[in-house]
Amino acid sequence: NAGVTQTPKFQVLKTGQSMTLQCAQDMNHEYMSWYRQDPGMGLRLIHYSVGAGITDQGEVPNGYNVSRSTTEDFPLRLLSAAPSQTSVYFCASRRQGALNEKLFFGSGTQLSVL
Amino acid sequence: QKEVEQDPGPLSVPEGAIVSLNCTYSNSAFQYFMWYRQYSRKGPELLMYTYSSGNKEDGRFTAQVDKSSKYISLFIRDSQPSDSATYLCAMSAEQAGTALIFGKGTTLSVSS
Repeated sequence: NAGVTQTPKFQVLKTGQSMTLQCAQDMNHEYMSWYRQDPGMGLRLIHYSVGAGITDQGEVPNGYNVSRSTTEDFPLRLLSAAPSQTSVYFCASRRQGALNEKLFFGSGTQLSVL
Repeated sequence: QKEVEQDPGPLSVPEGAIVSLNCTYSNSAFQYFMWYRQYSRKGPELLMYTYSSGNKEDGRFTAQVDKSSKYISLFIRDSQPSDSATYLCAMSAEQAGTALIFGKGTTLSVSS
C-alpha cells in the first residue's frame, strides 16, 4: 500500500518557470490537499479538494492552480515561479468527513526558486 | 494576528521529563483540535484528536482543550529521545475539516 506519493522530491526552478508537483493516493480518499511549510510559518493550506471535479482555495492560494480530474490524483501547478514560492510542499489525503482519522501526508517536495 | 499561535521553541528536556506543549487561538468557532508530530524530513502524522473541551489520554500523551480560554495543550509523560520531533497543533471549525489550520510547530529535543 503506497499511501500518498509525491514527485519530485527535490526541484530547482528559475524565476518565471512553470512546473507541476504531482500527488497520487491509492486509498480512495475523497479529501486531498496541498500545504506549504516554511520556517517559522508552520503548515499553510494552499488548495484542497473534496472529490473529483471539486476544488477550493485555502489560506495561501495565489500563484498556484489545482485540478482534480480523478479521485487518485491532485496535481499542484506553479504557473510562473517566484522566489517567494521556495518552500517544502506536502500533499495530504483523508476520507471526507473523517477529521478524527489520520490525515495521510506525502514525504514532501523541496522546491527552490532562484 | 494569526488564528493559531504556537511557540516554536526549541524546547530541550532530559529523558523522563514531563513536557507541556501549548497553542492559543482566536477563532471561537474552532471545535476540533488535533496534535500532529513531524520528524525531520517527514510529513506530519496525527497524534491526538479532541472534540470540544476536555481531556483525552493515549498512553504517555494527554491532550487538553479549554475553549473558554481558547487554549489547548499536549502533555508528554516520561519523555523519550524518540519523542524528539516538531509538534504541530491543528484546528478546524467544522467536522469535515476541509480547512485545517496549523500552528507553527514546537521543536522538542529529549536528551538521554
